[in-house]
Parts: sequence; structure tokens; C-alpha cells
Amino acid sequence: AQSVTQLGSHVSVSEGALVLLRCNYSSSVPPYLFWYVQYPNQGLQLLLKYTSAATLVKGINGFEAEFKKSETSFHLTKPSAHMSDAAEYFCAVHSSNTGKLIFGQGTTLQVKP
Amino acid sequence: DGGITQSPKYLFRKEGQNVTLSCEQNLNHDAMYWYRQDPGQGLRLIYYSQIVNDFQKGDIAEGYSVSREKKESFPLTVTSAQKNPTAFYLCASRQKGWDTYEQYFGPGTRLTVT
Repeated sequence: AQSVTQLGSHVSVSEGALVLLRCNYSSSVPPYLFWYVQYPNQGLQLLLKYTSAATLVKGINGFEAEFKKSETSFHLTKPSAHMSDAAEYFCAVHSSNTGKLIFGQGTTLQVKP
Repeated sequence: DGGITQSPKYLFRKEGQNVTLSCEQNLNHDAMYWYRQDPGQGLRLIYYSQIVNDFQKGDIAEGYSVSREKKESFPLTVTSAQKNPTAFYLCASRQKGWDTYEQYFGPGTRLTVT
């Protein structure tokens, strides 16, 4: 069965600093992986997705993620944090067994001025 | 503009009352989903529907019911049997197809039961 683990429920960075949000997955088959962002009291917005094409995936708002099979990771990065990036971020994997999306517990990103 | 709408944004009910949350999409997506979100618990799947007139229980279906009479609509009823209904409810949809597993979410409904 597939699963995802997000390391760190809270991450704090200074404005302009590198953002790194960690996600590790477990899957016995090539995974389909996703990152979503959620602003307070809003729904989830798709940031980017990995579907076995390029290992470096570029998304919206300057975010990107790199699929590393050897490390079973799909970490989300952004070179320079902006105040507007403060939100909760969810990593998800598609379950080939059930057809559902399995979500991580989420990471809250705080951006300090 | 295509998208998913949920109404209302905020909903207040007294204990013992059933309440129905609306979810409509004009994306022509086949599959629709209902999630519940509580602080620190991520998203938990309540019900999902892959096609009109068919739906399946998710991980926490007890105390909830759904219907899928139209492709664009997937209402969720929170019944009085749900022990702790206060939560943020999210509806999502997906176009079924090869390599298209991402779901698109509505803005959510925050339900408070007192």
C-alpha cells in the first residue's frame, strides 16, 4: 500500500530564504505524487504533480519538486520565500490499490519578515 | 470559469439536526469526493463517487450520507448520528483518464454544530 510522510509539521523561514518541505513516500509501484497548498479557510490548490516523466517538476508560484527514487522522496523547494507563501502544504500519493489520493499530515510554512 | 463551488461557506446547526452540504462542479469531471479536515489530522475521505448513481464509502463514512443523481452534483448530508460533526468539509473532483489522478478542490464549508 502507498503512503506519504511529511517531515516537520511546522517550518519557519525568513523572507527571501530557501523553502524546503520534506515528503517521503512508500510505494511498491511507480508512484504518482502531488503537492497541494492550502491558505487559511480555503480549499486545496494543486501546486505540481509527478507522473513518471521528468524527475524535476516545476509548479506554480515558483515551487518545484524533485523525485528521487533512491531516497523515496519528493521534497518541495522554492529558492526565495515570499510572505504570500505562508500556508499549509500537503504531499499526496495516488493509491494504485484503491484509486484514492493518500495525503500526508501537512506542513505549515511560516514566513518571517 | 470552470470550477467547484461549495455552499454555504459557513454553516451553523444545533445538535440533533441533519444538515446537507452542497457541492457542484462544471468541469465535466466523472469522479467526486468528500473529505473532512480537522486541525492536525490532514484530510480524511468520507465518500466518493466514480460515476452517476454510484458511490462508495471512504475511511470515515459513519454518520454521513451522499447521493449522485447528476454528474455535476454530489451533496453530503451530515446526520445526527455523526458524533463530532464540527469540521471543515472539502469537496473535490477528478477527470478519470490515463495519468490524470489529481483532484481539484472546492473552497470548503466550515460546519459548526452546538
